[in-house]
Amino acid sequence: GNSVTQMEGPVTLSEEAFLTINCTYTATGYPSLFWYVQYPGEGLQLLLKATKADDKGSNKGFEATYRKETTSFHLEKGSVQVSDSAVYFCALSPFSTSGTYKYIFGTGTRLKVLA
Amino acid sequence: DTGVSQDPRHKITKRGQNVTFRCDPISEHNRLYWYRQTLGQGPEFLTYFQNEAQLEKSRLLSDRFSAERPKGSFSTLEIQRTEQGDSAMYLCASSPPGASGNNEQFFGPGTRLTVL
Repeated sequence: GNSVTQMEGPVTLSEEAFLTINCTYTATGYPSLFWYVQYPGEGLQLLLKATKADDKGSNKGFEATYRKETTSFHLEKGSVQVSDSAVYFCALSPFSTSGTYKYIFGTGTRLKVLA
Repeated sequence: DTGVSQDPRHKITKRGQNVTFRCDPISEHNRLYWYRQTLGQGPEFLTYFQNEAQLEKSRLLSDRFSAERPKGSFSTLEIQRTEQGDSAMYLCASSPPGASGNNEQFFGPGTRLTVL
């Protein structure tokens, strides 16, 4: 079946530190991969996505590369800010003959950045 | 604001009561999803509509749950005879036409249900 595994949080970093949040997946075929972010008190927002192997998604200084060989989509940022404190969700959208393209989410990783 | 809206934002009910939630998707989006998120977990898929047709339902959606999208615009999710295990955040998302897995889903703020 389809599943997503994320590293457990919380992750606590100092401002300007390097961030990695690991995400691995299991899926049949070639899913699309996403990172969503949930800031305190807000809804889920798309952070970045990648639709095929070796694609790199990037946004707001965050990057993730679709690695088919290792079935991974790790999220990275070179220098985090206090404003990056949020919960980050990795998700996949498996190929769908029915056209549903639902998301399968990981459990989320809470990031706390200290000034 | 042209995002996905949900109503109510919070609902507290007693066990055994029925509740109904509403979702208004982005106007040109014909694809609509419902998810459920419990504390400390990621959202889990419940059901999917394309226009007014309900094309997929998760096994999580027991007989007490029913969803509709009568005119292909807003959608409702009803839970009958609520149980404490139904306490969760119920999320609605929409996406534009096009059968593609790379379509972004746009999420609403959610309805938080507490069953006492």
